[in-house]
Amino acid sequence: DVKVTQSSRYLVKRTGEKVFLECVQDMDHENMFWYRQDPGLGLRLIYFSYDVKMKEKGDIPEGYSVSREKKERFSLILESASTNQTSMYLCASSMASGERADTQYFGPGTRLTVL
Amino acid sequence: SQQGEEDPQALSIQEGENATMNCSYKTSINNLQWYRQNSGRGLVHLILIRSNEREKHSGRLRVTLDTSKKSSSLLITASRAADTASYFCATSLGKLIFGQGTELSVKP
Repeated sequence: DVKVTQSSRYLVKRTGEKVFLECVQDMDHENMFWYRQDPGLGLRLIYFSYDVKMKEKGDIPEGYSVSREKKERFSLILESASTNQTSMYLCASSMASGERADTQYFGPGTRLTVL
Repeated sequence: SQQGEEDPQALSIQEGENATMNCSYKTSINNLQWYRQNSGRGLVHLILIRSNEREKHSGRLRVTLDTSKKSSSLLITASRAADTASYFCATSLGKLIFGQGTELSVKP
Protein backbone atom coordinates (compact mmCIF):
# COMPACT_ATOMS: atom_id res chain seq x y z
CA ASP A 1 0.00 0.00 0.00
CA VAL A 2 1.06 3.54 -0.73
CA LYS A 3 1.95 5.49 2.33
CA VAL A 4 2.12 9.25 2.48
CA THR A 5 3.18 10.71 5.79
CA GLN A 6 3.14 14.28 7.01
CA SER A 7 5.45 15.51 9.73
CA SER A 8 2.77 16.83 12.10
CA ARG A 9 -0.95 16.28 12.62
CA TYR A 10 -1.37 19.54 14.52
CA LEU A 11 0.83 22.61 14.51
CA VAL A 12 0.48 25.98 16.24
CA LYS A 13 2.69 28.85 15.11
CA ARG A 14 2.88 32.58 15.64
CA THR A 15 2.43 35.28 13.00
CA GLY A 16 5.69 35.97 11.21
CA GLU A 17 7.29 32.59 11.94
CA LYS A 18 8.79 30.49 9.17
CA VAL A 19 6.93 27.20 8.98
CA PHE A 20 8.00 23.95 7.34
CA LEU A 21 5.51 21.22 6.52
CA GLU A 22 7.12 17.97 5.43
CA CYS A 23 5.64 15.23 3.32
CA VAL A 24 7.20 11.86 2.52
CA GLN A 25 5.90 9.12 0.23
CA ASP A 26 7.26 5.59 0.02
CA MET A 27 6.05 4.46 -3.40
CA ASP A 28 8.58 6.13 -5.70
CA HIS A 29 5.91 8.43 -7.14
CA GLU A 30 7.09 11.13 -9.49
CA ASN A 31 4.30 13.61 -8.74
CA MET A 32 3.67 15.34 -5.45
CA PHE A 33 1.12 17.98 -4.47
CA TRP A 34 0.27 20.37 -1.67
CA TYR A 35 -3.33 21.45 -1.06
CA ARG A 36 -5.05 23.48 1.55
CA GLN A 37 -8.60 22.72 2.62
CA ASP A 38 -10.95 25.32 4.09
CA PRO A 39 -14.66 25.11 4.90
CA GLY A 40 -16.74 26.28 1.98
CA LEU A 41 -13.74 26.49 -0.34
CA GLY A 42 -12.88 22.83 -0.79
CA LEU A 43 -9.37 21.69 -1.72
CA ARG A 44 -7.17 24.24 -3.44
CA LEU A 45 -3.86 23.40 -5.06
CA ILE A 46 -0.91 25.40 -3.73
CA TYR A 47 2.09 23.86 -5.52
CA PHE A 48 2.98 20.65 -7.26
CA SER A 49 6.08 18.91 -8.50
CA TYR A 50 6.58 16.43 -11.35
CA ASP A 51 10.20 15.65 -10.59
CA VAL A 52 13.07 16.31 -8.22
CA LYS A 53 14.01 19.99 -8.06
CA MET A 54 11.00 20.81 -10.20
CA LYS A 55 8.02 22.83 -8.99
CA GLU A 56 4.95 24.40 -10.51
CA LYS A 57 2.55 26.94 -9.04
CA GLY A 58 -0.95 25.81 -8.37
CA ASP A 59 -4.00 27.99 -7.93
CA ILE A 60 -2.98 29.77 -4.71
CA PRO A 61 0.83 29.89 -4.41
CA GLU A 62 1.07 33.34 -2.81
CA GLY A 63 2.75 33.25 0.59
CA TYR A 64 4.12 29.75 0.05
CA SER A 65 7.18 28.11 -1.44
CA VAL A 66 8.19 24.48 -1.86
CA SER A 67 11.28 22.33 -1.99
CA ARG A 68 11.84 18.94 -3.60
CA GLU A 69 15.44 17.89 -3.11
CA LYS A 70 14.66 14.16 -3.05
CA LYS A 71 12.04 12.22 -4.96
CA GLU A 72 10.25 10.99 -1.85
CA ARG A 73 10.09 14.31 0.00
CA PHE A 74 8.12 17.46 -0.78
CA SER A 75 8.23 20.35 1.66
CA LEU A 76 5.87 23.28 1.93
CA ILE A 77 7.30 26.47 3.39
CA LEU A 78 5.41 29.42 4.79
CA GLU A 79 8.06 32.14 4.69
CA SER A 80 6.24 34.39 7.18
CA ALA A 81 3.11 32.79 8.55
CA SER A 82 -0.06 34.86 8.69
CA THR A 83 -3.41 34.19 10.36
CA ASN A 84 -5.12 33.68 6.98
CA GLN A 85 -2.89 30.65 6.48
CA THR A 86 -4.63 28.83 9.30
CA SER A 87 -5.96 25.78 7.50
CA MET A 88 -5.75 22.04 6.94
CA TYR A 89 -2.81 21.20 4.67
CA LEU A 90 -2.90 18.01 2.65
CA CYS A 91 -0.05 16.42 0.76
CA ALA A 92 -0.62 13.92 -2.04
CA SER A 93 1.42 11.89 -4.51
CA SER A 94 0.75 10.07 -7.77
CA MET A 95 2.50 8.13 -10.49
CA ALA A 96 3.50 9.90 -13.66
CA SER A 97 2.23 7.23 -16.02
CA GLY A 98 0.38 3.94 -16.16
CA GLU A 99 -3.06 2.71 -15.31
CA ARG A 100 -3.27 4.58 -12.03
CA ALA A 101 -1.40 7.70 -13.10
CA ASP A 102 -4.17 10.12 -12.17
CA THR A 103 -5.00 8.63 -8.80
CA GLN A 104 -3.68 10.68 -5.92
CA TYR A 105 -2.73 9.24 -2.55
CA PHE A 106 -3.12 11.58 0.38
CA GLY A 107 -1.38 11.99 3.69
CA PRO A 108 -3.40 12.39 6.91
CA GLY A 109 -3.17 16.19 6.85
CA THR A 110 -1.62 18.85 9.06
CA ARG A 111 -3.97 21.22 10.83
CA LEU A 112 -2.03 24.46 11.14
CA THR A 113 -3.13 27.28 13.41
CA VAL A 114 -1.39 30.63 13.12
CA LEU A 115 -1.92 32.89 16.13
CA SER B 1 -13.05 28.52 -10.84
CA GLN B 2 -14.87 25.54 -9.44
CA GLN B 3 -14.94 22.59 -11.79
CA GLY B 4 -16.83 19.92 -9.87
CA GLU B 5 -19.88 20.76 -7.83
CA GLU B 6 -21.49 18.12 -5.63
CA ASP B 7 -25.13 17.87 -4.82
CA PRO B 8 -26.50 17.65 -2.19
CA GLN B 9 -24.10 19.44 0.16
CA ALA B 10 -25.31 17.24 3.01
CA LEU B 11 -27.23 13.97 3.14
CA SER B 12 -28.56 12.10 6.15
CA ILE B 13 -29.91 8.55 5.81
CA GLN B 14 -30.57 5.44 7.89
CA GLU B 15 -28.33 2.40 7.84
CA GLY B 16 -29.30 0.04 5.07
CA GLU B 17 -30.60 2.76 2.76
CA ASN B 18 -28.87 3.76 -0.46
CA ALA B 19 -27.04 7.07 -0.76
CA THR B 20 -26.75 8.94 -4.04
CA MET B 21 -24.44 11.89 -4.58
CA ASN B 22 -24.15 13.89 -7.77
CA CYS B 23 -21.33 15.85 -9.35
CA SER B 24 -21.53 18.34 -12.19
CA TYR B 25 -18.57 19.86 -14.01
CA LYS B 26 -17.96 22.45 -16.69
CA THR B 27 -15.20 21.42 -19.11
CA SER B 28 -14.11 18.26 -20.90
CA ILE B 29 -12.26 15.71 -18.79
CA ASN B 30 -9.94 12.72 -19.09
CA ASN B 31 -11.52 10.99 -16.14
CA LEU B 32 -13.55 11.66 -13.00
CA GLN B 33 -12.68 10.32 -9.58
CA TRP B 34 -14.46 10.01 -6.26
CA TYR B 35 -12.68 10.35 -2.95
CA ARG B 36 -13.79 9.90 0.63
CA GLN B 37 -12.62 11.88 3.66
CA ASN B 38 -13.28 10.91 7.24
CA SER B 39 -13.49 13.83 9.63
CA GLY B 40 -10.13 15.55 10.09
CA ARG B 41 -8.24 13.06 7.94
CA GLY B 42 -6.77 12.84 4.44
CA LEU B 43 -8.68 11.81 1.34
CA VAL B 44 -8.90 8.22 0.20
CA HIS B 45 -9.40 7.31 -3.46
CA LEU B 46 -12.56 5.29 -4.09
CA ILE B 47 -13.04 4.89 -7.81
CA LEU B 48 -12.01 6.34 -11.17
CA ILE B 49 -14.17 6.41 -14.27
CA ARG B 50 -12.70 7.34 -17.64
CA SER B 51 -14.39 9.67 -20.10
CA ASN B 52 -15.21 6.77 -22.45
CA GLU B 53 -16.88 4.75 -19.68
CA ARG B 54 -20.50 5.11 -18.63
CA GLU B 55 -20.69 3.01 -15.48
CA LYS B 56 -18.31 1.38 -13.04
CA HIS B 57 -18.76 -0.77 -9.95
CA SER B 58 -16.57 -1.44 -6.95
CA GLY B 59 -18.11 -3.42 -4.11
CA ARG B 60 -21.08 -1.39 -2.82
CA LEU B 61 -20.13 1.60 -4.98
CA ARG B 62 -21.60 2.36 -8.36
CA VAL B 63 -20.46 5.34 -10.39
CA THR B 64 -22.05 6.65 -13.56
CA LEU B 65 -20.73 9.26 -15.96
CA ASP B 66 -22.69 11.22 -18.54
CA THR B 67 -20.27 13.33 -20.53
CA SER B 68 -23.05 14.90 -22.60
CA LYS B 69 -24.57 16.32 -19.41
CA LYS B 70 -21.18 16.77 -17.75
CA SER B 71 -22.36 14.94 -14.67
CA SER B 72 -21.56 11.93 -12.55
CA SER B 73 -23.24 10.15 -9.69
CA LEU B 74 -21.95 8.00 -6.87
CA LEU B 75 -24.31 5.43 -5.40
CA ILE B 76 -23.50 3.67 -2.13
CA THR B 77 -25.81 0.71 -1.62
CA ALA B 78 -26.84 -0.75 1.74
CA SER B 79 -25.10 2.02 3.63
CA ARG B 80 -23.43 1.50 6.99
CA ALA B 81 -22.66 3.85 9.84
CA ALA B 82 -18.98 3.53 8.87
CA ASP B 83 -19.79 5.17 5.51
CA THR B 84 -20.29 8.46 7.35
CA ALA B 85 -17.78 10.81 5.73
CA SER B 86 -17.41 13.57 3.16
CA TYR B 87 -17.33 12.50 -0.48
CA PHE B 88 -15.60 14.52 -3.18
CA CYS B 89 -15.61 14.27 -6.92
CA ALA B 90 -12.47 15.32 -8.77
CA THR B 91 -12.17 15.94 -12.48
CA SER B 92 -8.93 15.33 -14.32
CA LEU B 93 -7.59 17.15 -17.34
CA GLY B 94 -3.89 17.26 -16.56
CA LYS B 95 -4.47 18.06 -12.92
CA LEU B 96 -7.21 17.18 -10.46
CA ILE B 97 -9.82 19.74 -9.52
CA PHE B 98 -11.94 18.87 -6.52
CA GLY B 99 -15.50 19.79 -5.77
CA GLN B 100 -16.59 20.98 -2.33
CA GLY B 101 -17.97 17.64 -1.28
CA THR B 102 -21.10 16.03 0.07
CA GLU B 103 -21.29 15.30 3.80
CA LEU B 104 -22.93 11.94 4.27
CA SER B 105 -24.29 10.93 7.66
CA VAL B 106 -25.51 7.36 8.09
CA LYS B 107 -27.48 6.84 11.28
CA PRO B 108 -27.48 3.41 12.92
